[in-house]
Amino acid sequence: QITLKESGPTLVKPTQTLTLTCTFSGFSLSTSGVGVGWIRQPPGKALEWLALIYWNDDKRYSPSLKSRLTITKDTSKNQVVLTMTNMDPVDTATYYCAHVMYLDAFDIWGQGTMVTVSS
Amino acid sequence: DVVMTQSPLSLPVTLGQPASISCRSSQSLVHSDGNTYLNWFQQRPGQSPRRLIYKVSNRDSGVPDRFSGSGSGTDFTLKISRVEAEDVGVYYCMQGTRSVTFGQGTKLEIK
Repeated sequence: QITLKESGPTLVKPTQTLTLTCTFSGFSLSTSGVGVGWIRQPPGKALEWLALIYWNDDKRYSPSLKSRLTITKDTSKNQVVLTMTNMDPVDTATYYCAHVMYLDAFDIWGQGTMVTVSS
Repeated sequence: DVVMTQSPLSLPVTLGQPASISCRSSQSLVHSDGNTYLNWFQQRPGQSPRRLIYKVSNRDSGVPDRFSGSGSGTDFTLKISRVEAEDVGVYYCMQGTRSVTFGQGTKLEIK
């Protein structure tokens, strides 16, 4: 059974860097084709894809946010970490991580973690 | 970037009646491997999204057969044959062929 859980701060100040961790079980990021992605959703708004990392360390980023994002993995800990720099109030959202198999994306999602950006 | 455009954005439906959501992409979603990576997600109020359909027409495990997906190229449709109360929520299409892009979402409500 695949599960994912997001963790990180609930409140960050403008200009700070956000670090979120996705801890998963039921699969390995050393298995060919497997990946983990991050998606966010501002309150009352649509889903927005942020980044993806695959088993072979191939990394993909949203073109509009690429300069601010870094995604990394720790296979031994079953974790994927997303950092987003220069946070702004418009980045207030629920952040989700989700399982990926090759290009069959996001079959299983975490519960999400709400992040508020405010001074 | 591939733009995904859904219609309608709001969909009031009577219980037991069918519903249909359209999703159009700005570019063909046929991948070089021959597959079309178009997914549909359901997000019930207060819940995480749940994938319903992958690669245009394949239902995920546990998804009722009243949900079906169809389409090709740039034009895709999600159909619910008979809407039930538990179907209330927002539906998103998503393409994974050229990077990843979500549609704006379609809010389904009961009339």
